[in-house]
This record gives sequence, C-alpha cells and structure tokens, in this order.
Amino acid sequence: RKEVEQDPGPFNVPEGATVAFNCTYSNSASQSFFWYRQDCRKEPKLLMSVYSSGNEDGRFTAQLNRASQYISLLIRDSKLSDSATYLCVVNRGASGGSNYKLTFGKGTLLTVNP
Amino acid sequence: NAGVTQTPKFRVLKTGQSMTLLCAQDMNHEYMYWYRQDPGMGLRLIHYSVGEGTTAKGEVPDGYNVSRLKKQNFLLGLESAAPSQTSVYFCASSYSIESNTEAFFGQGTRLTVV
Repeated sequence: RKEVEQDPGPFNVPEGATVAFNCTYSNSASQSFFWYRQDCRKEPKLLMSVYSSGNEDGRFTAQLNRASQYISLLIRDSKLSDSATYLCVVNRGASGGSNYKLTFGKGTLLTVNP
Repeated sequence: NAGVTQTPKFRVLKTGQSMTLLCAQDMNHEYMYWYRQDPGMGLRLIHYSVGEGTTAKGEVPDGYNVSRLKKQNFLLGLESAAPSQTSVYFCASSYSIESNTEAFFGQGTRLTVV
C-alpha cells in the first residue's frame, strides 16, 4: 500500500457542483494532514490543514478519520477558479528529529467548466 | 516579503554536466527541503535539512548532493546530470516539522537534461 493514495481523477465538473476528493494513508503514526493546491506550472500552496474534528473554510470542508486512515476534501458551489490539482499531504512528524517525512499524494486534477 | 526563492527557474543541461540549484528563504525557517515532481509520480523528497549545517536523505537522494552552510540557503547539486533527472524541482521551507506546520514552496526550477 502506498503511503498516500488519492483518487486518480481527473474530475470535470460544472460550475456550482459539489466535488469530493478522497485520500488514504498507510502509516498510522502520521501526525498531521493537509490539503495543498497546485495550479498548472506553479508551486503547491497550502489550502487547509485537516483537524481530527473536521474543519471548514468557506466552501471547503476537510475531514479526517484516523481509524480508517482516511482524509477527504469537499468543495461546495465550485468556481472556475477552483480548477487546479489538489494534493493530499501527510506529515509523519519527527520523533527524535530524524524521522521527518512530509509525504505528498500524486494529486487529483479538478477542472470546473462554465 | 520574498518567501522562498529558487534560482534558476529554467535550465537545460547536457548529460554529464554539473549544476547547482539555489534555494533561499527569508522567513528564518529552520527546515528546508528539496523535492522533484514528475508526471504521474507526484512530489518526492530528495534531501532535507533540519537546521544549518545538517542534511538528511529523503526518498530519492541518489545522484544529488546538498549543503546548508547558511540557515537561509539550501543548495542542491547535480554532479553528473542524467536524462532521468529531467524534472521540476521545488524547494520548500517550514518553521517546524511538528504537527500542522505549513511548508512554503519556491516557484520551481524546470530542468531538462539532454
């Protein structure tokens, strides 16, 4: 099982649609979780952290299920500007300073169509 | 505030040539990382540093060397470039490697080895 696996996509949705991205991780020692967004030919940028209780930022909702080792991102009322690749990111953290690993999923491409 | 700056942004190398990629950050971050991003492979960690004077191997370190002589700079060297090293290279930095710390990325270096 790969460390971080995402829906392969791509997703093509009309404006206003709700779209969900799923991600699973294999290392139960993982400590923190993120969704990053990467626009075409640009660098990744943090979209939102994912907290155990779930968290929301405007149209974006992130959920974490530690028991199932599963992370999700829900985008409501999608906009043209949401078109990007969404990266699931897991941080194993650093116990003792030498075990750091921030692992990226391969990303899921979203295209929002007019 | 420049954040993370990579130089150069583009480079074409011949097989066997050497080069150094420079990453500079002005956020006083302790931790710095070099990733490569290839189609279908996602972001993979090459080397990272947890502080000035320290470096550690990541997931795909072969063929690369790094140095962190100054806290704000992290250099990635290719001693003898190979076509397999054609990729987009991203540098990143973060304040901490503990939970929920955002990693900030540079704009990337597109390297082609012919």
